[in-house]
Amino acid sequence: GQQVMQIPQYQHVQEGEDFTTYCNSSTTLSNIQWYKQRPGGHPVFLIQLVKSGEVKKQKRLTFQFGEAKKNSSLHITATQTTDVGTYFCAGKGRDSSYKLIFGSGTRLLVRP
Amino acid sequence: SQTIHQWPATLVQPVGSPLSLECTVEGTSNPNLYWYRQAAGRGLQLLFYSVGIGQISSEVPQNLSASRPQDRQFILSSKKLLLSDSGFYLCAWGGGLGPYGYTFGSGTRLTVV
Repeated sequence: GQQVMQIPQYQHVQEGEDFTTYCNSSTTLSNIQWYKQRPGGHPVFLIQLVKSGEVKKQKRLTFQFGEAKKNSSLHITATQTTDVGTYFCAGKGRDSSYKLIFGSGTRLLVRP
Repeated sequence: SQTIHQWPATLVQPVGSPLSLECTVEGTSNPNLYWYRQAAGRGLQLLFYSVGIGQISSEVPQNLSASRPQDRQFILSSKKLLLSDSGFYLCAWGGGLGPYGYTFGSGTRLTVV
């Protein structure tokens, strides 16, 4: 079945440093979504990428979708303590428009 | 606007007891609904999804079942809980057409003792 892997599992950075998490799918995706889950909270939708090679930005966050639509990345520039949380990628395979399969997540800790 | 309600927030249940978690959605009709489980410090595992009343797809064979008795109601159940059923259970509404992600409920933290 479809699998989505995400690395690293944890990242501990100093406030102001950059952060990147990477997502890889075992199959080609129709789209990829990114979510943020604050400690003790539930996942909150950030963005969706659909096109091959697509790049989208939200303030200090930059999202990329690979050319083959099998990998994606999230880059945060100059992290802040408010960025703390777990970031998940989630993908829908081409053969299933109903199921969103989540990666294992990257937990970001920011030292003030 | 669409909202999703999930309850209870926390639950402590003995092994062998039954379980019923309820999720309701407001502000939309015929939503795609999902149950996910998250083990401590782990990712989200898709358990069940439903595209309509009475339609349930199971992703992982296990000790749980799901039902959709009404358009905007999705229920997760178990007849006899196991210790391994402990986790954070999240109901989600699929965002429909367009670039919309899933909207998650606030979750139920279940501890089986």
